[in-house]
Amino acid sequence: DQQVKQNSPSLSVQEGRISILNCDYTNSMFDYFLWYKKYPAEGPTFLISISSIKDKNEDGRFTVFLNKSAKHLSLHIVPSQPGDSAVYFCAASLINSGGSNYKLTFGKGTLLTVNP
Amino acid sequence: DAGITQSPRHKVTETGTPVTLRCHQTENHRYMYWYRQDPGHGLRLIHYSYGVKDTDKGEVSDGYSVSRSKTEDFLLTLESATSSQTSVYFCAISDSTSGGPTAFGPGTRLLVL
Repeated sequence: DQQVKQNSPSLSVQEGRISILNCDYTNSMFDYFLWYKKYPAEGPTFLISISSIKDKNEDGRFTVFLNKSAKHLSLHIVPSQPGDSAVYFCAASLINSGGSNYKLTFGKGTLLTVNP
Repeated sequence: DAGITQSPRHKVTETGTPVTLRCHQTENHRYMYWYRQDPGHGLRLIHYSYGVKDTDKGEVSDGYSVSRSKTEDFLLTLESATSSQTSVYFCAISDSTSGGPTAFGPGTRLLVL
């Protein structure tokens, strides 16, 4: 059962335009949602996260939107740059009853290509 | 860059051999994780730790054990390596503010023949 889904395996955008990466989830109990990017042969890099009690979080060029009723979140990158070309992973976490531990479930990733 | 390293970075071993991967952090973060990445599966959690000597299983923990005797070190052991454990292994760390790992190590490529 894939609880976190990224239905677009790839996305291509023009430099300077907006990149919108989408993610759907099935478990309404998730507490946090996170986005990571990954270059080949490197570890993932944390980009931005959002608590389930919020609907938007912004950090520089990156904004994450959360629509809980649709169980959908998206990452907006504005403006897109060639260096943003990477695989982007959406992830969701559950905090345990003790309020401290969390396990992360990842989507399978979307390859973003930003063309100069 | 966050201070998180993994060793070895590459390893080739034979089926049935025990293998230990090491993750070392200098951030003094409480939480540490081991993930594996395989084509078509994304990143899957093997084990995680929420403090010294405190560990728990992830979704693909069979055949793996972990230990954390110091805050900075988290060891992953393949008790008897199998070809299905050929993968790229990533260690990750986090504090308690972001809901998940905020830094990953560079990865260890493991090939089990």
